Amino acid sequence: GENVEQHPSTLSVQEGDSAVIKCTYSDSASNYFPWYKQELGKRPQLIIDIRSNVGEKKDQRIAVTLNKTAKHFSLHITETQPEDSAVYFCAPNTGGFKTIFGAGTRLFVKA
Amino acid sequence: GAGVSQTPSNKVTEKGKYVELRCDPISGHTALYWYRQSLGQGPEFLIYFQGTGAADDSGLPNDRFFAVRPEGSVSTLKIQRTERGDSAVYLCASSFQGTSTDTQYFGPGTRLTVL
Repeated sequence: GENVEQHPSTLSVQEGDSAVIKCTYSDSASNYFPWYKQELGKRPQLIIDIRSNVGEKKDQRIAVTLNKTAKHFSLHITETQPEDSAVYFCAPNTGGFKTIFGAGTRLFVKA
Repeated sequence: GAGVSQTPSNKVTEKGKYVELRCDPISGHTALYWYRQSLGQGPEFLIYFQGTGAADDSGLPNDRFFAVRPEGSVSTLKIQRTERGDSAVYLCASSFQGTSTDTQYFGPGTRLTVL
């Protein structure tokens, strides 16, 4: 079946530093690659997504890069702030309509 | 406009009881998804509706779980003979067209506790 892995599981950075989270997937038919942020007790919220016809997308301090050949995509957060502290999930689609979430990366940004 | 809503926000029940969890998607969204999220884990896909029909129910763990969406809007997830292992947050999401590249918008979830 489909396999989605995220690394690292926990990431601690100093405020102002960059954070990078990597997601690997197994389904070669995947063509939609979103990242969600989930704060404690809250719902997952989409922060950025990319479709397979592009290799990189930026939105202010957040970017996503995609390597379809190697089947991985990464979330990049620059100039991290304490409010970036949360759990981040990658959730590539499968060849159908099922979405498989990674196990999550807990990001701590120390002030 | 209003986002995805779910009721109740919390449900405590006893082992063996029947529960119903409700999801109101964003108006006009044809696709609706149910997920289950256990503590410290990512959401786990349960079922996907396109309109009134369940297009993919491969994530339902067993036949105690059933979901309906009779008019293509509100959906109800039904769990029979609840077990302690069913305790989790049940999340609902909707998307406009339900294509595989559509953005999904999540509701706040229903926290189910089975004693």
